[in-house]
Amino acid sequence: DIQMTQSPSSVSASVGDRVTITCRTSHNISTHLNWYQQRPGKAPKLLIFGASRLQSGVASRFSGSGSGTDFSLTIDSLLPEDFAHYYCQQSKSTPLTFGGGTMVDVK
Amino acid sequence: QVQLVQSGGGVTQPGGSLRLSCIASGFKFGSNAMHWVRQSPGKGLEWVAFIDYDAKYISYADSVKGRFTVSRDNSKGALYLDMTSLADDDTGVYFCARQQTFYSHPRIYYDKLDFWGQGTQVAVSS
Repeated sequence: DIQMTQSPSSVSASVGDRVTITCRTSHNISTHLNWYQQRPGKAPKLLIFGASRLQSGVASRFSGSGSGTDFSLTIDSLLPEDFAHYYCQQSKSTPLTFGGGTMVDVK
Repeated sequence: QVQLVQSGGGVTQPGGSLRLSCIASGFKFGSNAMHWVRQSPGKGLEWVAFIDYDAKYISYADSVKGRFTVSRDNSKGALYLDMTSLADDDTGVYFCARQQTFYSHPRIYYDKLDFWGQGTQVAVSS
């Protein structure tokens, strides 16, 4: 199985800040990496697929980068609705695996 | 618009059984692979099962193999998860999710879980 290590587990930020979350995989997955946002009590929402491709309808302040085993999600200029949990997920092989999550909360 | 509406779940004792359903609309259900993903209380996301578009290929997480069965009825736009021999650590919210494949090149593609159901609660408790 491909192990996912996401960091930090939580980050405190203010509206307007730039936040970066990283994800490291135990095996080379090329760019088969997705990012999701999850608000409390809601289903995950796809933000980024293929490591850097913005999902249709997602705001351009979200961006992803990386390949191989090291990836990152950046949120430029945080808005109030961006305070949520974020998860990376590899789509290279089953079992699909997710990172442990990052909570972005208000400083 | 694409919708996945879940039902089923509830409370059961250890060793019990439950069936989850996920009804799709707004797209050609029989063209997409589907997944089940769960989330234990206060925890992260855990993949549970996969079924491809025509149910010819199915796979499960080791934690549920032999106890859970995923199936689909393309004529009804329905996805199911039959859960047996339930244990305490099966407690959580279960999501169905649609897999969509994006082709950036004929031989380069990316799979993504682009639409999710609203989630359904499963509680296993004595």
